[in-house]
Amino acid sequence: DAGVTQSPTHLIKTRGQQVTLRCSPKSGHDTVSWYQQALGQGPQFIFQYYEEEERQRGNFPDRFSGHQFPNYSSELNVNALLLGDSALYLCASSLLQGGIGSPLHFGNGTRLTVT
Amino acid sequence: AQSVAQPEDQVNVAEGNPLTVKCTYSVSGNPYLFWYVQYPNRGLQFLLKYITGDNLVKGSYGFEAEFNKSQTSFHLKKPSALVSDSALYFCAVRGTGANNLFFGTGTRLTVIP
Repeated sequence: DAGVTQSPTHLIKTRGQQVTLRCSPKSGHDTVSWYQQALGQGPQFIFQYYEEEERQRGNFPDRFSGHQFPNYSSELNVNALLLGDSALYLCASSLLQGGIGSPLHFGNGTRLTVT
Repeated sequence: AQSVAQPEDQVNVAEGNPLTVKCTYSVSGNPYLFWYVQYPNRGLQFLLKYITGDNLVKGSYGFEAEFNKSQTSFHLKKPSALVSDSALYFCAVRGTGANNLFFGTGTRLTVIP
């Protein structure tokens, strides 16, 4: 049973560029959340997708956008990259019907470095 | 608004000794509390959760946590620490009606052989 998979594992971009990160949820899961984890910090919620729509959004600018596909996989896009966007980006999946106590299953993340 | 505080950046404990990693929270409505562990260059792994019921919840790898409503705490515990428990531990809370988890800043646990 495949868990949450993310690609790529590492990425180096230049300021001003755009980046797309990809995530495949755990088999059977229908909800995907994205988190940003800066060095030495806890993960911060970016947004959550369910049924191909953004369900909730954290305190991130519009430069951060996402998409969910019919097969439940998801993409995170970041435009006009800033040095401060350097972080580990984590994708987490869950089953909506699991309820509020349903734990998130995390991928290993994509390490983005902006130079 | 929801928040989580992990007052200790670093906890050191000798192998075989009991360990405690502290967490306090603030949330509107009923709290739904979680502990996750992160190993180097890896994502977060779920350890345990409190939703309702018994204040002492048991989780993976021999970990347990005690929910204390009056102190708004949810401390992680283990009776006998292993060197392999050395990792970064995160407490997280989800408030009623919220879709996301709010994480603390993490506590690095080092178990000394």
